[in-house]
Order: sequence, then C-alpha cells, then structure tokens
Amino acid sequence: GQSLEQPSEVTAVEGAIVQINCTYQTSGFYGLSWYQQHDGGAPTFLSYNGLDGLEETGRFSSFLSRSDSYGYLLLQELQMKDSASYFCAVSGGDYKLSFGAGTTVTVRA
Amino acid sequence: GAGVSQTPSNKVTEKGKYVELRCDPISGHTALYWYRQSLGQGPEFLIYFQGTGAADDSGLPNDRFFAVRPEGSVSTLKIQRTERGDSAVYLCASSLGGRTSTDTQYFGPGTRLTVL
Repeated sequence: GQSLEQPSEVTAVEGAIVQINCTYQTSGFYGLSWYQQHDGGAPTFLSYNGLDGLEETGRFSSFLSRSDSYGYLLLQELQMKDSASYFCAVSGGDYKLSFGAGTTVTVRA
Repeated sequence: GAGVSQTPSNKVTEKGKYVELRCDPISGHTALYWYRQSLGQGPEFLIYFQGTGAADDSGLPNDRFFAVRPEGSVSTLKIQRTERGDSAVYLCASSLGGRTSTDTQYFGPGTRLTVL
C-alpha cells in the first residue's frame, strides 16, 4: 500500500515563501505529483517529479529525493489567491494516484 | 477548452436510494478515473477505465458501487442502496493515454453527494 505524510496547515504572509514537505512509503514508485485545490473546486495539477531534483514552474517549484522517499513543494512570492489545499500524490506504477491528506495554506495580508 | 465536467454538482438523496453520477472527460482522453474525497482528506481511488473497460476497480468499497463507460467517453458511477457513509465528493479525472504512470490526470469539480 501507499502512505503519505504532509503537514496539515501552514500560514504565511503575502510575499513570503512556503515549503510543504511530503514523505511517502510505497510498495511501488514512479513519481510524485502536486495538486492545488481551492474550496469546492477541482484538484488542479501543479507539477510532477519522476527523477531526483528540482522542477520549476513559475512561482512554484517541486523537489524529489527518491533515496529519502521525500519531496517538497515550494511556493514563492505568496499571493492571496494561493490560499488553498495542496496535495502530494504518488504514482505507484499502476496508473492510480495515492494522495496525502493535504496541507491547507492560508495567506495573510 | 473544455475540461472534465461532472453532473450534478450536488446530489441529496435518502438512505437506501439509488444514484447516478456522470462524468464527461476531456475530449480525446482514453483514460478515466473515479475518486472519492471525504472532508479534510485527499482523494481516494475508486476505479480506472482504459477505453470502455474497467482496467482496475480495486478501490470500489463494495458491490453497491458500479461504474460504466459504454462508448469510451462519458462514464457513470452508480451507487445502489445508498448509506450515510457514502456522503462525500465524487471526483472524476481523465488523462490522455493512461498507459504510463506519468500521464497527468485532470480533475473535474466533483459531485457532492449527501445521503440523509
């Protein structure tokens, strides 16, 4: 089976940097994805890491260390619209995604 | 462009009733997935279709749950004899091919099911 751990909540001010860590224990591993979900909305794909290292997409970056079973999502230059839940998800080689419980990010003025 | 759409957006039903939830995937996507999301949790996998066939239904909780995709596009999730514990948001996702684990899954807004 799959088990993912991520912090439940993070609060920061506009313009700050936030890092959301994700550790996983899986029976199979292909890659780590990150999704953003606003209240009542659809999970929206942010990034995918299949290999070790950093992937950068605008203000968001994601990192993976396969040897440490660890990844993180970095949100830079925080904006009010970044207030949402963020989920890490593992692709275990069988097409389905296994999600963590999510991290609620609250951005304050 | 059109994303994944789901209808209805909200469904309230009584315990014991039958419900159908519909998903329209992104045009051209051959893979379709159903997930269930309870409050404060991440989505949990229910079933995966590749074309018309259910390639993996290991996440369906019991035999009251069934899903079809007869023409390889629209899918319907069917729940018989609903129970209060079935209350959740049911999410549908689609991906281009589904044949590799790197295929990005695109989610719809979900159907919020409430069983009274």
